[in-house]
Amino acid sequence: SQTIHQWPATLVQPVGSPLSLECTVEGTSNPNLYWYRQAAGRGLQLLFYSVGIGQISSEVPQNLSASRPQDRQFILSSKKLLLSDSGFYLCAWSAGTDLNTEAFFGQGTRLTVV
Amino acid sequence: GQSLEQPSEVTAVEGAIVQINCTYQTSGFYGLSWYQQHDGGAPTFLSYNALDGLEETGRFSSFLSRSDSYGYLLLQELQMKDSASYFCAVFRGSARQLTFGSGTQLTVLP
Repeated sequence: SQTIHQWPATLVQPVGSPLSLECTVEGTSNPNLYWYRQAAGRGLQLLFYSVGIGQISSEVPQNLSASRPQDRQFILSSKKLLLSDSGFYLCAWSAGTDLNTEAFFGQGTRLTVV
Repeated sequence: GQSLEQPSEVTAVEGAIVQINCTYQTSGFYGLSWYQQHDGGAPTFLSYNALDGLEETGRFSSFLSRSDSYGYLLLQELQMKDSASYFCAVFRGSARQLTFGSGTQLTVLP
């Protein structure tokens, strides 16, 4: 069966510090991978998606970047965090085929920038 | 661009039926999905409609009209545990990336 791991669950970082959030998927090959951010009481904003190793698409301009060094690994990074980067970050995967109907989410990382 | 519109809040009592509507505007539409998210948790998949019509899964049903760019989620026999946020989402674009609406907060009252 497929599983998705995302860590850490919570993170408190000072403004200006770097960020690295990691997400890995098991039990599937060539998945589509996604990073979302959710502000308190708000919807899920798609930040990045990837259809393959090294292929990253950004939905919105921002202070963050993403990388996919391996097929089932997706990393969200920042060189210098801003207060506005606080939020709930969710990694997700979906099948990378025309039968794609469902996305599966990790448990999320609650990031507070202080 | 793309947008998905849904009501921000809905309140209903236990045992009732509630319908959450979603209208969308997007290019490269492949299907409409619904997700449930409890406070502090991750979204979980409820249903997917690729074609027009009604899909039923237990107490939950979802409907799609592609000509109207409209869908809804119907929740029957509401239970307290159904209190959560509900999101409509569409697969769109060349990569079938999943884009979400702003969510509807459902509160079920005893």
